[in-house]
Amino acid sequence: QVHLVQSGAEVKKPGSSVKVSCKASGGTFNNFTINWVRQAPGQGLEWMGGIIPIFTTTNYAQKFQGRVSIIADESTGTASMELSSLRSDDTAVYFCAGERTYFYGSGSYYRGGWFDPWGQGTLVTVSS
Amino acid sequence: SYELTQPPSVSVSPGQTARITCSADALPKRFASWYQQKPGQAPVLVIYKDSERPSGIPERFSGSSSGTTVTLTISGVQAEDEADYYCQSADSSGTYVFGTGTKVTVL
Repeated sequence: QVHLVQSGAEVKKPGSSVKVSCKASGGTFNNFTINWVRQAPGQGLEWMGGIIPIFTTTNYAQKFQGRVSIIADESTGTASMELSSLRSDDTAVYFCAGERTYFYGSGSYYRGGWFDPWGQGTLVTVSS
Repeated sequence: SYELTQPPSVSVSPGQTARITCSADALPKRFASWYQQKPGQAPVLVIYKDSERPSGIPERFSGSSSGTTVTLTISGVQAEDEADYYCQSADSSGTYVFGTGTKVTVL
C-alpha cells in the first residue's frame, strides 16, 4: 500500500518561493495523479493542482495559475510543489494526495476523482 | 467558479444519525467524495463515487446523491466521529473543488 511522506516545515519571507516534496513509500505512484491541497489556519481545504507523473501532465486551479509549479520524478517516486511570490496569506499546511488514475491505450486515462492516500502535511509559514 | 455548499455545523447525540448535505451550484456534477478531518491530522477518505466506502471505513458511514446534492450519513454516531467533514467534486473542466466544510459535534 502506497504511503506519501512529505518534507518538513518551512519558514519563508514574503516574496520568496517554497518547494514542498512528497515521496511515495511502500510502492510507486505510477497508478496515481498526485494532487496538492492546502489548508490555511482555521480554514477549509483548497485544491491547488495536480500532476500525472507518467505523462508529467499538470492542471492547476485558476487561482494559482502562474504562481505554482508541480513536477514529478518517476525514478525517485517524488512529486514536488513550488509556490512563488509568497504572501502572508499563503501561510498554510500543504498536503499531497494521491488520486487513483486508470490508463488505457494511446495515452488515454481516467482520473478517479477521489484523494487517497494523503501525505502528513507540511506547514509553510510566510513571515517577515 | 464551481461551488459546493455545506452547513457549517451539525450536532448529534451519540447513537443518533447525522446527515451532512453538500449542494452544487450547477449541473453537471461529477461523482463526489467525502473526507473526515480531525484536528492536526490529514483528511481521511470516507466515501468516494457518491456512495462507495473504502476498506477500513465503518459501515455506519454511507453516501447518497440526488440531483445536485450529495449527502453523507453517519448512522449510530460515536464520540470518535466528532470531526470536520468535507465534500469534494469536480467541475466540467476537471478542476477539483472542496465543500465549505461541516463541523460535527457529538453532544
